[in-house]
Amino acid sequence: SQQGEEDPQALSIQEGENATMNCSYKTSINNLQWYRQNSGRGLVHLILIRSNEREKHSGRLRVTLDTSKKSSSLLITASRAADTASYFCATRNQAGTALIFGKGTTLSVSS
Amino acid sequence: NAGVMQNPRHLVRRRGQEARLRCSPMKGHSHVYWYRQLPEEGLKFMVYLQKENIIDESGMPKERFSAEFPKEGPSILRIQQVVRGDSAAYFCASSPAGLPQGTGELFFGEGSRLTVL
Repeated sequence: SQQGEEDPQALSIQEGENATMNCSYKTSINNLQWYRQNSGRGLVHLILIRSNEREKHSGRLRVTLDTSKKSSSLLITASRAADTASYFCATRNQAGTALIFGKGTTLSVSS
Repeated sequence: NAGVMQNPRHLVRRRGQEARLRCSPMKGHSHVYWYRQLPEEGLKFMVYLQKENIIDESGMPKERFSAEFPKEGPSILRIQQVVRGDSAAYFCASSPAGLPQGTGELFFGEGSRLTVL
């Protein structure tokens, strides 16, 4: 079953704007990760936030985590056309053996 | 350092044939994960293997699907008697340690796209 669910399913913005994607999950977590997938390609790890962290930055990426609401958000600032991709959040399955991914947010950035 | 290598990148099979997908993990990685992705959907976990052992196959269909990761050579995902519903992208990922022990990050290959006619 899906652990993480991203929202919105699709997002279209102009270059230079910020993009915010949200992820909700169901069970307790040790950490939450975000991945990007360009069309026709594999997933690439973006950032990991641990359960005892509330916010983390990496370049133009900002991730927040609210364990009380079981939710996380990914903010991409000053978006570029190259940011066009699908973005997935991931948490461990209950057995702790594998990552479970949501259905993703498809981001389209037009120039 | 080569990444996760999957082959073939594209595979076409007729209904009833067998499909074999191969995955060579990153150098130094002994943990392999297989995922399936249907069009416009996220990744569905299938199986987690270490060398010569299946650790978690809770996502594998009960019939026709099998996976192995031998002591030597790549991991293989095998689909027997394929049906049209098996058409999907199959992704392999690897990690140097199991998720609880390592950083938790998975490294993905570019996927194998299976089309069943």
